[in-house]
Amino acid sequence: RKEVEQDPGPFNVPEGATVAFNCTYSNSASQSFFWYRQDCRKEPKLLMSVYSSGNEDGRFTAQLNRASQYISLLIRDSKLSDSATYLCVVIRNDYKLSFGAGTTVTVRA
Amino acid sequence: GAGVSQSPSNKVTEKGKDVELRCDPISGHTALYWYRQSLGQGLEFLIYFQGNSAPDKSGLPSDRFSAERTGGSVSTLTIQRTQQEDSAVYLCASSAGETQYFGPGTRLLVL
Repeated sequence: RKEVEQDPGPFNVPEGATVAFNCTYSNSASQSFFWYRQDCRKEPKLLMSVYSSGNEDGRFTAQLNRASQYISLLIRDSKLSDSATYLCVVIRNDYKLSFGAGTTVTVRA
Repeated sequence: GAGVSQSPSNKVTEKGKDVELRCDPISGHTALYWYRQSLGQGLEFLIYFQGNSAPDKSGLPSDRFSAERTGGSVSTLTIQRTQQEDSAVYLCASSAGETQYFGPGTRLLVL
């Protein structure tokens, strides 16, 4: 079983829609969680950290569910520019880092 | 300020040749990571340097792959006797904490 798993998608949504997806992790000792965004043929860039209490950054909301060992990302009022692959990153308490394979989101006009 | 830089941006080589990929991390970042990303795939961890500690080489796929980090700054990833399956984008990232900052990558094509 992979340490971090994501639904590859693609999630095809119209502009203005809400889209949400999860990332599951297998190691209960994981301590830090992040969402990165990767545009086609570009390098990944940090989108947001994921805090235990959940956090929002504009139209983006990240949640952590330790009991079920998953994190989620919700995008409200989708824009065309939100089309990208969203990578989940999990850091264990021994500082080993794992990336998910990514969830592709395509927002259409 | 300057971000992570990598060179070359593209490299085409023949099967069996050796290649060297370079990464210049952000100044002051003690951690440096190498990843490989094949077309349409996620990031595959290769190797991790943290300060003066011994590197974590657990992700290197074979003994044809090696990496060095000189003076705690610039890193070189070397692939010996390249194979076609080595074709991928090789990404370098550096960090001062938990957030990683990625370079633009080197696109390697082995013919």
